[in-house]
Amino acid sequence: DADVTQTPRNRITKTGKRIMLECSQTKGHDRMYWYRQDPGLGLRLIYYSFDVKDINKGEISDGYSVSRQAQAKFSLSLESAIPNQTALYFCATSDSPDRSRGYTFGSGTRLTVV
Amino acid sequence: RKEVEQDPGPFNVPEGATVAFNCTYSNSASQSFFWYRQDCRKEPKLLMSVYSSGNEDGRFTAQLNRASQYISLLIRDSKLSDSATYLCVVNKGSSASKIIFGSGTRLSIRP
Repeated sequence: DADVTQTPRNRITKTGKRIMLECSQTKGHDRMYWYRQDPGLGLRLIYYSFDVKDINKGEISDGYSVSRQAQAKFSLSLESAIPNQTALYFCATSDSPDRSRGYTFGSGTRLTVV
Repeated sequence: RKEVEQDPGPFNVPEGATVAFNCTYSNSASQSFFWYRQDCRKEPKLLMSVYSSGNEDGRFTAQLNRASQYISLLIRDSKLSDSATYLCVVNKGSSASKIIFGSGTRLSIRP
């Protein structure tokens, strides 16, 4: 089993619909992140959490919300999806404050909003 | 100007060649640096951290030039399996929001 599991792998949804992307990890890491990747733009941070009671906005949090249900689970919601939220979404974890051991990413969710 | 800039490529080189690419960063206070590899439609994976004195991992060598604010990745004796996009990652500080990903350099190794 993957260390960081994202579901669904692919999703097509209509404008205005609410959608949730789920992430679970078996790494035992406290720190979890949601990124989106768009062609030519690199990964951009949406939200991050350093423990169950901690939620922080990233660079592009508008239109998104998150829930850290447990140490191992971090879900991302799009309250009312819009076409420019079409992107590849990655969940990541890390255990090191200086991130010297880097992030472990899930395999991504490809979301298309039509 | 982007905080982290990479030549998008593609770099198209023959198998066995040596290839190098750079990544420039704008914030002189940046603290740590990494190279990630991303295969098409897959997740990024940490390739190597970049240390001030430079570091090597097999065929891969990473260098940091703080004066000119760039990091580099050198791949020797390139293999077909090295074909991927290489992401430069810069850590500007202790907050997660200070981690900046470059948009990547695409490398294609031909037989």
